[in-house]
Amino acid sequence: AQSVTQPDIHITVSEGASLELRCNYSYGATPYLFWYVQSPGQGLQLLLKYFSGDTLVQGIKGFEAEFKRSQSSFNLRKPSVHWSDAAEYFCAVHPSGGSYIPTFGRGTSLIVHP
Amino acid sequence: GAGVSQSPRYKVAKRGQDVALRCDPISGHVSLFWYQQALGQGPEFLTYFQNEAQLDKSGLPSDRFFAERPEGSVSTLKIQRTQQEDSAVYLCASSFGAAEGRETQYFGPGTRLLVL
Repeated sequence: AQSVTQPDIHITVSEGASLELRCNYSYGATPYLFWYVQSPGQGLQLLLKYFSGDTLVQGIKGFEAEFKRSQSSFNLRKPSVHWSDAAEYFCAVHPSGGSYIPTFGRGTSLIVHP
Repeated sequence: GAGVSQSPRYKVAKRGQDVALRCDPISGHVSLFWYQQALGQGPEFLTYFQNEAQLDKSGLPSDRFFAERPEGSVSTLKIQRTQQEDSAVYLCASSFGAAEGRETQYFGPGTRLLVL
């Protein structure tokens, strides 16, 4: 069975500082990997996704993520955080064959200090 | 164009009451998913429709949960005899094609259900 671990429940950064949110997955093959952001009272919005190829993927709002097969990780990064980035971030694994049911991590809440 | 919409946005129900949650997917989207998101957790899959066919309901937690999409567009998730453990945010998502891992799902804002 696939699983996703987001080890940090909360992350606090100062505005303008860099950010890295961790995501580790467990899956039998290379899955499809997604990062979503959820602002209060909103649904999940796709930030970026990885299927294959270049292991560094660019997303919206200045976010990027790097797939590291050896570490089963797909960490999300942003070089300079803005106050509007404060939200909940979810990493998700979508199966690469057969099932279509995604598995989400429990989320990391990002707090941005001015 | 319009995204996925859900109504009501908030619902307070007394234990034992029946509730119905509505999802309007993006027009033309074939696939529709329902998820349950408990407080402090990520979404968990409930059920999946391809057009009007419910192809997977493996995530429904009990037979009190029922979902339908009779004309292949709007979907309703019904919970009968609500219990306190049903309190959660219920998210609907749709995607353009038949569900497979690469498809991007577009999420609605959710319905926050509180059962007293």
